[in-house]
Amino acid sequence: EIVLTQSPGTLSLSPGEKATLSCRASQSVSNSQLAWYQQKPGQAPRLLIYGASSRATGIPDRFSGRGSATELTLTISRLESEDSAVYYCQQYGTSSGTFGQGTKVEIK
Amino acid sequence: QVQLVQSGAEVKKPGSSLRVSCQVSGGTFNTHIFNWVRQAPGQGLELMGRIAPIVGRTNYAQRFQGRVTMTAVRSTGTAYMEMNGLTSDDTAVYYCARAPLVTVIGVVAVQGPLESWGQGTLVTVSS
Repeated sequence: EIVLTQSPGTLSLSPGEKATLSCRASQSVSNSQLAWYQQKPGQAPRLLIYGASSRATGIPDRFSGRGSATELTLTISRLESEDSAVYYCQQYGTSSGTFGQGTKVEIK
Repeated sequence: QVQLVQSGAEVKKPGSSLRVSCQVSGGTFNTHIFNWVRQAPGQGLELMGRIAPIVGRTNYAQRFQGRVTMTAVRSTGTAYMEMNGLTSDDTAVYYCARAPLVTVIGVVAVQGPLESWGQGTLVTVSS
């Protein structure tokens, strides 16, 4: 099973700052089948990024993703208060579809 | 706009069984794969398994093998997740999530990311 490890556990930043979230896979993920999701309290997760770097429909361009088969980065270029959430990476290249443990982004 | 509408919250006794439904409205059913994800209180996301209605195939996470059954009724556009032998550790919010079917290689259905999610079903297991 592919294990995804996210870092840091928590990010506390001010509005307008840049957030950089990392996700490392224990094995290579085929075709960059890696995604990022945002989850706010009491809500279902929402797809942000797929294929490591493609934004999902309706996602603001301040969210960007890049990475390789084993390393993934999510950048939020100019944080807004509404970006306060937990962010999860996921590999969907295999039927097991594992998630990372999540990074909590707090806005000061 | 596609909506995945899940069945309502449930309270279950230890040892009992659970069935959660997920009905698709405003979107296609057969060209997608339905994943089930659960989230225990204060915890992260855990993929339980998935079903590809078009090929009738299921894949279950190892820890749920033998305890979970996922089915789909194409005529009503509804996916189901059943789990038996409930314990307090199964207290969680259960989500269905729809992913596009990218291709079928033999009997393996290759999916895309989880694009659409249901609202979640809170299941509480308590004596």
